[in-house]
Formats: sequence, C-alpha cells, structure tokens
Amino acid sequence: QQPVQSPQAVILREGEDAVINCSSSKALYSVHWYRQKHGEAPVFLMILLKGGEQKGHEKISASFNEKKQQSSLYLTASQLSYSGTYFCGTEIQGAQKLVFGQGTRLTINP
Amino acid sequence: NAGVMQNPRHLVRRRGQEARLRCSPMKGHSHVYWYRQLPEEGLKFMVYLQKENIIDESGMPKERFSAEFPKEGPSILRIQQVVRGDSAAYFCASSDTFLGAEAFFGQGTRLTVV
Repeated sequence: QQPVQSPQAVILREGEDAVINCSSSKALYSVHWYRQKHGEAPVFLMILLKGGEQKGHEKISASFNEKKQQSSLYLTASQLSYSGTYFCGTEIQGAQKLVFGQGTRLTINP
Repeated sequence: NAGVMQNPRHLVRRRGQEARLRCSPMKGHSHVYWYRQLPEEGLKFMVYLQKENIIDESGMPKERFSAEFPKEGPSILRIQQVVRGDSAAYFCASSDTFLGAEAFFGQGTRLTVV
C-alpha cells in the first residue's frame, strides 16, 4: 500500500525546476505532500483530494491524476530553502490511514 | 494555537527498560497517527487512533509495542523491554478528521537504546 516516489534524489542549481512523482497501485482518496529538513519534523505543504484538481502557492504546485492514481509536485525557479526530503502521503479509499512514500531528496546548490 | 507537542524530545533507555512517548495533538484534533523513522529513511506508519479507539494498528510490531489515546490526556506510545533496534525517531501527527484532512506533525522523540 506504500506509494512509490520518483526520482529518489535530485540535485539542482538555484533557479532550476523540479518534478517529483508519486504513484499508487490502489484507488486513492487523497494525496498529501510534505517537506522534511534534516533533523526536523515534516512540514505540511498541500493536500489534493480525488477529482483531479491542481493546487499551488507561489512556486510550488501539485496535481492529482485520479485515473492514473498519480500525483506530481512541481517546484519552479527553485530556491536554496527548497532543499530537503519530500514525502507524499496517500489515503487509500476504504482504508483509514495515511501512508508515506520513501521520499525524494532534493538538493539545491547555489 | 499550539501545535502538536511531543515529549520528551530525546529519550535514552537501557536495553530491557520501558519507553513512554507522549503526543498532545493540536487543539480540536481528535485523530492521531504515530510513525517511526530510521536515519535517512522514510516515515513508516505504525498506528492510527481516535479518542479512545485504535482504528488501524497494522504497522505496529505484534509484541512489546502498544498505543492509546484516552478521552483525557495525550496519546501514549509505549515500548516495553526496548532493544537496540528500537532506536529511531518517533513522530506523531494529528488531524481534525479522517480522510482528506491536513495532518500536522510534532517535533518527534528521538529514542536511543544503549
């Protein structure tokens, strides 16, 4: 039931764009995105509910393709502060729990 | 509005002792998740609780681990007879409902078993 994230790691220069993908083999009710910096707690970014909506604020946005059970997180014009590990969490229809993928480590270099 | 509070932040236990980890959810939240995270690894689901009920404990080891969320007071994750393999960061998260609600994380408890 654990979602699969890709890629596992990304290295960018400041100002470049990145896309992180999250896919599930089960029908999803929602997808949650979090960012965790080393030694800190995961921080909530956004949640997408089934219905194929897209959300975003400033330069971070996400989409949810309900037919494919996939979500993508888009980071545009990346900043140094975007560095960290990004986790997607999924709620499967009929199961009441939030399960996370293995994470994508994003490194932004000056 | 205080966030999710976990204590202690750091806990050292000798092998065979008991560890009690506490989690006070955000005000108004009645749903609590517990996750375990090993260094450089992901968040492994352990248990999902509502007030006075365990909803899903499929991620909990069958022995030595238990969790509760009483009507009054914090949620407790209890590990009996700790072993070195229990050393990890334990995070709790809370939400105000199930399905489709934002879950907010506490700062975690770093358990070290010596």
